[in-house]
Amino acid sequence: AQSVAQPEDQVNVAEGNPLTVKCTYSVSGNPYLFWYVQYPNRGLQFLLKYITGDNLVKGSYGFEAEFNKSQTSFHLKKPSALVSDSALYFCAVKDWGNYQLIWGAGTKLIIKP
Amino acid sequence: DTAVSQTPKYLVTQMGNDKSIKCEQNLGHDTMYWYKQDSKKFLKIMFSYNNKELIINETVPNRFSPKSPDKAHLNLHINSLELGDSAVYFCASSQDASSGTPHNEQFFGPGTRLTVL
Repeated sequence: AQSVAQPEDQVNVAEGNPLTVKCTYSVSGNPYLFWYVQYPNRGLQFLLKYITGDNLVKGSYGFEAEFNKSQTSFHLKKPSALVSDSALYFCAVKDWGNYQLIWGAGTKLIIKP
Repeated sequence: DTAVSQTPKYLVTQMGNDKSIKCEQNLGHDTMYWYKQDSKKFLKIMFSYNNKELIINETVPNRFSPKSPDKAHLNLHINSLELGDSAVYFCASSQDASSGTPHNEQFFGPGTRLTVL
């Protein structure tokens, strides 16, 4: 079965430190992977995606994600966290059965000053 | 300009009522979606729709129905509202989500918070 797992409900990071939000996936066919961010009381915003090519994908707000095929992972990273990065982050993978997205449960990222 | 808009932003209603949420996108996208986000922030796809096909998540009760008057609009009608329908509902759109170019990102509206009393 196709699925996405975000193993951490919450990640706490001090401002200025690097951050990682984890995502692993299981999909038949080529993995098309996405990261979205949701700020409080807002809709989701697209951050970045991996379709093919370079395993390191750069996106909005200084975020990047590393695709690792052998570990079936697509972890979101940022070298230096900002308090304004505090939000809910969702990983998603394309379901080749119906072309919809399969969503992870979300990870709450808290950046402390 | 707002890319994907929803109205109303808040909706409070009694059990058993029928209500609608409207969604409009001005991005020229050909596919629109409705999602439900529950109190634990879990995101669930309800429908995806383009001019060719309506895909319904099989777990969605038939009290929920999408209606698309044109390519830029996808409204959500809910009949006989139940307490468990209370959630935030998000509309989204994307371009060519069918077999042509299935990797385009989705753009989300601001959400409609539905509270059923």
